[in-house]
Amino acid sequence: EVQLVESGGGVVQPGGSLTLSCAASGFSFDDYTLHWVRQVPGGGLEWVALVSWDGIFAYYLESVKGRFTISRDNHKNSLYLQMKSLRTDDTALFYCARGRSTSSSGAFDVWGQGTMVIVSS
Amino acid sequence: SYVLTQPPSLTVAPGQTARVPCGGHDIGRKSVQWYQQKPGQAPVAVMYDDSDRPSGIPDRFSGSNSGNTATLTITRVEVGDEADYYCQVWERSSDNHFFGPGTKVTVL
Repeated sequence: EVQLVESGGGVVQPGGSLTLSCAASGFSFDDYTLHWVRQVPGGGLEWVALVSWDGIFAYYLESVKGRFTISRDNHKNSLYLQMKSLRTDDTALFYCARGRSTSSSGAFDVWGQGTMVIVSS
Repeated sequence: SYVLTQPPSLTVAPGQTARVPCGGHDIGRKSVQWYQQKPGQAPVAVMYDDSDRPSGIPDRFSGSNSGNTATLTITRVEVGDEADYYCQVWERSSDNHFFGPGTKVTVL
């Protein structure tokens, strides 16, 4: 079964750091671009970042540039999101999502169930 | 940045047709994806590349895209289709993805 399972969410103070992980299974991990997408409770979806199949290229939502770093370990079939200088408006459910191919473009065809990040003092 | 617009809500009777619009400048030149999200669940793709239906999605779902509006059409609407629907595009110049604000489809 194709599956993505996120972990690492929690409560952190403003200005703090947190690293999210996403464990993949059931497919050839390095055949796909991977993404992080977030959703404020009761709100809409917001794309956060993507990393190319080989981990060489990464692109970010403007508001997280310089604060978030997306990476992957193809040997461990895992995706990561290092977040620093967290702000209250980063509070959201963070989803790991698979792109349909090695391309940056296109749809997200597999989603995890999400991990919640709460930034609060 | 690329701005997508969607009506916040849409109500349709069972058995009727729901048309969910997604507006954007020259969106007809882009590839549009659609996602369905039910309460407490992760999004599920219901349309790829304007009009390509993923495996397992009923043929009651179809898509079109032209000019400044893309549309997800759901025919013979069922109670189980009640959900939030989001459109999404990729912008080549920034390599960023953008979602519309979502449309809550209510079946009454």
